[in-house]
Amino acid sequence: GQQLNQSPQSMFIQEGEDVSMNCTSSSIFNTWLWYKQDPGEGPVLLIALYKAGELTSNGRLTAQFGITRKDSFLNISASIPSDVGIYFCAGPVAGANNLFFGTGTRLTVIP
Amino acid sequence: GAVVSQHPSRVICKSGTSVKIECRSLDFQATTMFWYRQFPKKSLMLMATSNEGSKATYEQGVEKDKFLINHASLTLSTLTVTSAHPEDSSFYICSAGRGSYNEQFFGPGTRLTVL
Repeated sequence: GQQLNQSPQSMFIQEGEDVSMNCTSSSIFNTWLWYKQDPGEGPVLLIALYKAGELTSNGRLTAQFGITRKDSFLNISASIPSDVGIYFCAGPVAGANNLFFGTGTRLTVIP
Repeated sequence: GAVVSQHPSRVICKSGTSVKIECRSLDFQATTMFWYRQFPKKSLMLMATSNEGSKATYEQGVEKDKFLINHASLTLSTLTVTSAHPEDSSFYICSAGRGSYNEQFFGPGTRLTVL
């Protein structure tokens, strides 16, 4: 079945540092979505990517759709304490109207 | 816009009782609603997809008689965990879809603890 593996599983960084995380798939995706989940809350969509090679920014966040369509990257620049949370990549399930979520990257920002 | 609410946010119940969780799209009509389950430090796992007025489609391994889903209107879906047991304790999250898969808006989740 489909697998979306995220790396790293967790990160501890100092406030102000840049962050990089990635998501790899065992199969091709035509869309990549990046979500952030705050503790005890539902996920919130950060960035959506629709084309291989696409690079999209949302404030301090930048995400790229890998050229092979089997991976995607999310970068956060100049991290701040409110960046703390779990970041999930997700993609549409083939032939369905629902999403498959990655394993998540848990980010901790140390002030 | 695109706000989804869930009620209750937390529930503690005794083993054997049934618990109903509501998911509402507050400012839009949702063609489809999705129910997810999330274990601690794990990802979201889709349990079922429901469309208004029709039966829910359950993912493999999810017992439809255990997790009853009713999608009575375009703004309300309910998940009832019947005869709950401690292993049903989890974080349940719904999302409401407004069109394609990427127009899903998530609720804040419901933490269920079964004693």
